[in-house]
Order: sequence, then C-alpha cells, then structure tokens
Amino acid sequence: GDQVEQSPSALSLHEGTGSALRCNFTTTMRAVQWFQQNSRGSLINLFYLASGTKENGRLKSTFNSKESYSTLHIRDAQLEDSGTYFCAAEGGNNAPRFGAGTKLSVKP
Amino acid sequence: GPKVLQIPSHQIIDMGQMVTLNCDPVSNHLYFYWYKQILGQQMEFLVNFYNGKVMEKSKLFKDQFSVERPDGSYFTLKIQPTALEDSAVYFCASSYPGQLYFGEGSKLTVL
Repeated sequence: GDQVEQSPSALSLHEGTGSALRCNFTTTMRAVQWFQQNSRGSLINLFYLASGTKENGRLKSTFNSKESYSTLHIRDAQLEDSGTYFCAAEGGNNAPRFGAGTKLSVKP
Repeated sequence: GPKVLQIPSHQIIDMGQMVTLNCDPVSNHLYFYWYKQILGQQMEFLVNFYNGKVMEKSKLFKDQFSVERPDGSYFTLKIQPTALEDSAVYFCASSYPGQLYFGEGSKLTVL
C-alpha cells in the first residue's frame, strides 16, 4: 500500500491567508522533502528535513519521524504560491516515495 | 542551485519504437533516479542507480525498461519497445545522497 498519505488533496486560499498541508507515513521515514510543482511542471525544492523544523520566508516545515508525519505551513499566501505541493519521504534503504499531492489555488 | 538537465524535453514516437531519454545529473552526485508522472498526477518511482548498478526498482519498471550511465556520461532511460501506456512525463533526479534535485522532465507521447 501507499507509504505516504498526503492531505488535503485540494485547497483553496484567499491571498493573505494561510493553511497547513500534511503528510502521514505508514512506515518509519528518515527524511522528507517538500516540492512545489508549478504550472510549467517544474519541481521546485522547498525543504529537505531529517528532523525538526525549517523556515524559509512564508513557508515552514516540520518533520516528526517518531510520530510519522510532516507538515508544510504557508502563511500570507500569494497568487504565485498556486500549484501542486508534494512531499517525498525516504525510509530504510529505499528511494524517496511521493505523496499524491495537494493542489493549491490562491485567489485574489 | 544545482541543475539537472534532461534531453529531449518532448518526444513523440510510434508504439513499438525505441526511445532513449537522457539526463545530465548534478556533477558530484552519486545517486540517480527516474520518476514517471501522468497528467500532473502522482510522481511514481521507477528506478534508482548507484555505482553503475540498479539499486531499487518498482513494479512500473517493466522488462522493456533499462537504465545505464556509461563512463560517467548521460544517465539514460531506454524503453524498447514502447507501449501506449508509457506516455507520461519522465523526471530524472540526482542526489549526493540526501536532497533530490530534479530536471524539468521529458514528455513522452506514444502514438
């Protein structure tokens, strides 16, 4: 079955607001990455975490390996934040596996 | 940031033909990956490669698929013969290990 469960599948935000995206893992993961896939299909690296919390501008991500989840918080959403957000997690000796993605629409 | 280059960006071929997708990974990276994405949906892991060998492959990595990186040149994904269901965007990635860096993708259309 799927090792990475991502939610929500879709999210709509008004500019200036914020929300959280989440990935739950069904097995122990040693690291997680978050990506934004833009309208051209390019994957933009947001965060790589082996533990703890990282922050970059309006984005913050947390990875809790013990409780098997990771979150991505977006605050003060802008129109250019629209796109699909993926988490990808690696466990054991396996290559990273992706969640199904969250399609984010930011509206004026 | 580090760049992974993929060639071609787009290829259209007839079913049954062979196709080779090329990837130029980040120069000091040691691990190489292929992922498949259909219509902007989930990124599906195909294969990863290290030290000249396939380390792990998924059920999607059919017998018609092969990968190699001869003499440190391009990391290639070859499909022979192609099938209609192989139509997708194929993304190459590399890592040192650790963080993955992705190329822009090669869109394959099989007619």
